[in-house]
Amino acid sequence: DVKVTQSSRYLVKRTGEKVFLECVQDMDHENMFWYRQDPGLGLRLIYFSYDVKMKEKGDIPEGYSVSREKKERFSLILESASTNQTSMYLCASSLFAGQGEQYFGPGTRLTVT
Amino acid sequence: SQKIEQNSEALNIQEGKTATLTCNYTNYSPAYLQWYRQDPGRGPVFLLLIRENEKEKRKERLKVTFDTTLKQSLFHITASQPADSATYLCALDLTGGGNKLTFGTGTQLKVEL
Repeated sequence: DVKVTQSSRYLVKRTGEKVFLECVQDMDHENMFWYRQDPGLGLRLIYFSYDVKMKEKGDIPEGYSVSREKKERFSLILESASTNQTSMYLCASSLFAGQGEQYFGPGTRLTVT
Repeated sequence: SQKIEQNSEALNIQEGKTATLTCNYTNYSPAYLQWYRQDPGRGPVFLLLIRENEKEKRKERLKVTFDTTLKQSLFHITASQPADSATYLCALDLTGGGNKLTFGTGTQLKVEL
């Protein structure tokens, strides 16, 4: 079974802090994704990566950056956390980009105070 | 703008009945559509993928239909059980680029005894 793990289940940070969210997958998938999920807005794609060191902006990249130095690891970075970035963050991976099913991690509930 | 619509109102049904959830999309005609299940506080789990040339797909008690003329997919759970209670999300590639999914906001299903 594919396993996608995220570094923290719950995280509390202060406004202005730099925040790192880590995601690791163990199935050698090419593609990895970062989403945020908010009530009433659903899952929204922040960034995705289809290969090591490659990244593409999703629908809401502002205020975020990503890093993929190794195939199995995809990091989401909040350069200067703001309260409107309080959300559930979900990482996913897939073997094929668009039409392949995505395997999600358990999520990180980030609160920025 | 292109978007996906799922009924935001929760669906309550009695155990043993068939649950039917709807996913409508506008404008673009995707080549495939996916359905996911999400339990509270957890990441979505992939259930089924249906392609544009497949009118219907089944997996155990699940059935998905895909009507590209109506721009609609129906998701059925037959002989529903309380364990089927969850939020169900549909997802499709609205860009045509084949490299990212857009998710609907989901419909919450509650199966009562």
